[in-house]
Amino acid sequence: GAGVSQSPSNKVTEKGKDVELRCDPISGHTALYWYRQRLGQGLEFLIYFQGNSAPDKSGLPSDRFSAERTGESVSTLTIQRTQQEDSAVYLCASSPAPTGRETQYFGPGTRLLVL
Amino acid sequence: GDSVTQMEGPVTLSEEAFLTINCTYTATGYPSLFWYVQYPGEGLQLLLKATKADDKGSNKGFEATYRKETTSFHLEKGSVQVSDSAVYFCALSDNTDKLIFGTGTRLQVFP
Repeated sequence: GAGVSQSPSNKVTEKGKDVELRCDPISGHTALYWYRQRLGQGLEFLIYFQGNSAPDKSGLPSDRFSAERTGESVSTLTIQRTQQEDSAVYLCASSPAPTGRETQYFGPGTRLLVL
Repeated sequence: GDSVTQMEGPVTLSEEAFLTINCTYTATGYPSLFWYVQYPGEGLQLLLKATKADDKGSNKGFEATYRKETTSFHLEKGSVQVSDSAVYFCALSDNTDKLIFGTGTRLQVFP
């Protein structure tokens, strides 16, 4: 079946511009997560959605970052007024439901370069 | 807060060598532990997991045992292949399944 998809796969933007990244989770997965992987570093948690509950935004690095999710489907991560330190691979993952033991299924990522 | 520490890479081995990648964690509760792998040009995928103390996760010849007394989850394989060359990430999850990752260890296996 279809896995997690993300678009665009690559994005180059100028400092100060806004960007929007999209994630399509696996159908039926209620939980959706965004992570960021900067060059040479591990993955950092950004935000988590579960069903209709309020999202866990505890990992967002600044108020320039925001994310939305429509029901249990598509999510968009928006970065306003991009800075060079925002350059990273942004990964989306989904899982069936949060139990503390579930496997997350990752998308291929969006590679963002801010010039 | 919770954290994961794994050994720096790259780890360079000859084919059929024994592999160990160390991973230790700090957590307030009883997390689940994971190893994820990223092959060149591919997305991150689960390699194995263990959800409680003394559990052993295994897949593709890789094994890791959840050791609560040493807060460790070291990854091992008895005989690596060139196709195992990848970046390996140790991670833990809390009860929301939010993952906290180590920095990753690059494994390079040469014939």
